[in-house]
Amino acid sequence: NAGVTQTPKFQVLKTGQSMTLQCAQDMNHEYMSWYRQDPGMGLRLIHYSVGAGITDQGEVPNGYNVSRSTTEDFPLRLLSAAPSQTSVYFCASRYQGGTEAFFGQGTRLTVV
Amino acid sequence: GQQVMQIPQYQHVQEGEDFTTYCNSSTTLSNIQWYKQRPGGHPVFLIQLVKSGEVKKQKRLTFQFGEAKKNSSLHITATQTTDVGTYFCAGLSSNTGKLIFGQGTTLQVKP
Repeated sequence: NAGVTQTPKFQVLKTGQSMTLQCAQDMNHEYMSWYRQDPGMGLRLIHYSVGAGITDQGEVPNGYNVSRSTTEDFPLRLLSAAPSQTSVYFCASRYQGGTEAFFGQGTRLTVV
Repeated sequence: GQQVMQIPQYQHVQEGEDFTTYCNSSTTLSNIQWYKQRPGGHPVFLIQLVKSGEVKKQKRLTFQFGEAKKNSSLHITATQTTDVGTYFCAGLSSNTGKLIFGQGTTLQVKP
């Protein structure tokens, strides 16, 4: 099993550009989520999904869109990148209920 | 909304000294989880506490869950250089299913 796979690992965008961060898991987890990590801010929840076709907002959803068409994939879209979105992004998945979350390797995004 | 606060933000210790990080939630949690992130890495699950007043140990690490299920702590006895990293607590809300992380405590250990 590959676990949680995120692509790309690194990305530089210009302000106003759009892009999609990919996340895939092969553990048949119902629950998937996106976090951003900034110095001193910990991991902040952007969006999450409890199953295919169901998504909801987290703590910091503005500027990001998600969709969950399959159990395996949970892409994160930036429609118009801003410098404030410079961060490290982590995708995580887990089984429904209180179980451990598995994280991807992260995507380091810089918006100039 | 639910908030999870963690202190201290940073801790520098001499190898062999003890270390403790504290976590407090604004709401009652169904469980609390602890993760460790090595520099440049991703968070990795350490343990989950579910019961009020629960105490669990993993070698030199001791985890506690408060009686009211709103606070938790991680204590490391006799730190080693391999303990370096950022330790996060994460609270699971039974209402929403969201896993909300604290700000993390970054531990530096001087050999």
